[in-house]
Amino acid sequence: DAGVTQSPTHLIKTRGQHVTLRCSPISGHKSVSWYQQVLGQGPQFIFQYYEKEERGRGNFPDRFSARQFPNYSSELNVNALLLGDSALYLCASSLFLGGKLGETQYFGPGTRLLVL
Amino acid sequence: RKEVEQDPGPFNVPEGATVAFNCTYSNSASQSFFWYRQDCRKEPKLLMSVYSSGNEDGRFTAQLNRASQYISLLIRDSKLSDSATYLCVVSPTGTASKLTFGTGTRLQVTL
Repeated sequence: DAGVTQSPTHLIKTRGQHVTLRCSPISGHKSVSWYQQVLGQGPQFIFQYYEKEERGRGNFPDRFSARQFPNYSSELNVNALLLGDSALYLCASSLFLGGKLGETQYFGPGTRLLVL
Repeated sequence: RKEVEQDPGPFNVPEGATVAFNCTYSNSASQSFFWYRQDCRKEPKLLMSVYSSGNEDGRFTAQLNRASQYISLLIRDSKLSDSATYLCVVSPTGTASKLTFGTGTRLQVTL
């Protein structure tokens, strides 16, 4: 079975540019979450989407936005890129059974973004 | 203070050794707890969930102490393939909707 897929795998941008990252969840999973992992740190929560609605947002500036499509895939958009946005961007999918304890999130391989 | 704190290591241990990692969390409302494993330049993968009663999966044992807000992972009979970064993860809600990660503890198992 296919796991979480993300595209592109690598990306190089310059400061001030815009980037769009894509994620397809595991078949049957309706929730997608985005995380940013800077080198040497653990992943940091950016957004969670479920049924095309934002269900959670981390402490990130408005330059970061996301959306979820009817097929449950998702896009993360970052505007006005800064050098500090260089990181591994991870997408995670889960069933999101509405409050089930210990629900597992499965991570995709990530997109490595380098901002020059 | 970080929400989830871990010793970054690295922990260098010989094959066959027993090694323990600890983690503390600051949000007493946290309800779900996990250990994830992350290999170099790869995505995190769930190693095990952590329950108040403690749980074991083969060579791995996880413990949770809610009163002390402390989570531990014990690896027995370490293998070379256990070399990785181990991430302590908590979720402040009843679901895994928002995972809060520690910085990770790096383990290197040597011959």
